[in-house]
Amino acid sequence: DAGVIQSPRHEVTEMGQEVTLRCKPISGHDYLFWYRQTMMRGLELLIYFNNNVPIDDSGMPEDRFSAKMPNASFSTLKIQPSEPRDSAVYFCASSQTGVQYFGPGTRLTVT
Amino acid sequence: AQSVAQPEDQVNVAEGNPLTVKCTYSVSGNPYLFWYVQYPNRGLQFLLKYITGDNLVKGSYGFEAEFNKSQTSFHLKKPSALVSDSALYFCAVRDISSSSASKIIFGSGTRLSIRP
Repeated sequence: DAGVIQSPRHEVTEMGQEVTLRCKPISGHDYLFWYRQTMMRGLELLIYFNNNVPIDDSGMPEDRFSAKMPNASFSTLKIQPSEPRDSAVYFCASSQTGVQYFGPGTRLTVT
Repeated sequence: AQSVAQPEDQVNVAEGNPLTVKCTYSVSGNPYLFWYVQYPNRGLQFLLKYITGDNLVKGSYGFEAEFNKSQTSFHLKKPSALVSDSALYFCAVRDISSSSASKIIFGSGTRLSIRP
């Protein structure tokens, strides 16, 4: 298996623009997680899905953030409008048996 | 509420010496415990886990961890450190007794630096 796939790997955008991050989980995994990592706040869980249904979005920082999982093989995290404080590395992870497998991350820079 | 603490931001060890990265946890039920490693510009990578059974768990790259219920600790260890072990290490806990049994709470991370 190719592992968790994330795109793009790097994204540079201007404040106010819409940003969409993409994730393809490992086939057969029924949980999908979105995390954000920064030096100041460490690793934060934003939202997670079980069987494509959002279970806990309490970590989503603001209404500017939204996440969807239209099917078992695809999820998106959208930020609209983006702000400089959203700059971070965003990770997607998937799980079937409790162990989470992480993608390589998307490094987002908002100028 | 569940939580995990990594009391050391950084651990420095000479190559060939044993290493220990500390972790303590707090959960309301029986814990599932994990260690992950993150190399620069990479995602977190699973190292090992404890669910039940033998308190000494062996994982990838020669790492092992010891579960201590009385001290609520799950320290990561390796008998002989390699320079290539230098990375950021995360301890994590999953509380299977909670309604959010699938969530993992990660510690703040410990940066391990192995000097030649």
